[in-house]
Amino acid sequence: DAGVTQSPTHLIKTRGQQVTLRCSPKSGHDTVSWYQQALGQGPQFIFQYYEEEERQRGNFPDRFSGHQFPNYSSELNVNALLLGDSALYLCASSLVQDGVYGYTFGSGTRLTVV
Amino acid sequence: AQKITQTQPGMFVQEKEAVTLDCTYDTSDPSYGLFWYKQPSSGEMIFLIYQGSYDQQNATEGRYSLNFQKARKSANLVISASQLGDSAMYFCAMRELMYSGGGADGLTFGKGTHLIIQP
Repeated sequence: DAGVTQSPTHLIKTRGQQVTLRCSPKSGHDTVSWYQQALGQGPQFIFQYYEEEERQRGNFPDRFSGHQFPNYSSELNVNALLLGDSALYLCASSLVQDGVYGYTFGSGTRLTVV
Repeated sequence: AQKITQTQPGMFVQEKEAVTLDCTYDTSDPSYGLFWYKQPSSGEMIFLIYQGSYDQQNATEGRYSLNFQKARKSANLVISASQLGDSAMYFCAMRELMYSGGGADGLTFGKGTHLIIQP
């Protein structure tokens, strides 16, 4: 049973560029949440997607946007990259009725902005 | 004010000893949940244990137990008989239920404790 798959594992981008990160949820899960984890910090909640709509959003600017596809996979897009966007981006999937109690995390995408 | 505070940036513990990782939290929400996650160097967050604010008993999951002291807003993780494989980052996290309208799933994490088990 595949867990949460994130791609790519590592990425280097230049300041001002745009980036797309991808997440395939665990089989049977219908909800995807994204977190940003800066070096030496705990993860911070970006947003959650369910039924292809943004269900909840953390304190992140509009440069951060997302999408969920009919097969429940999800993308995180970040525009106009800043050096401060360098972080590990974690995806967590769950069943909507289990909520955060049923989270399964991926191993993340390490984004470096230079 | 930080909602989750973990005051131990790093800890060294001898194998087979018990270890306590500290976590204090700050919320006015009467309904909340507290979580502990383990993050090995590979990056994924692994769920360890959960405690609800109305739970009367301290949560236990195998070698993990949560020392929940509600009046002190403390939710310490206790690992009994530590093993070399326990070496990792450990994060305490909270979900506030009532103030979030019940539909919010976002967790608030602390900064973590880096636990190193020595042979």
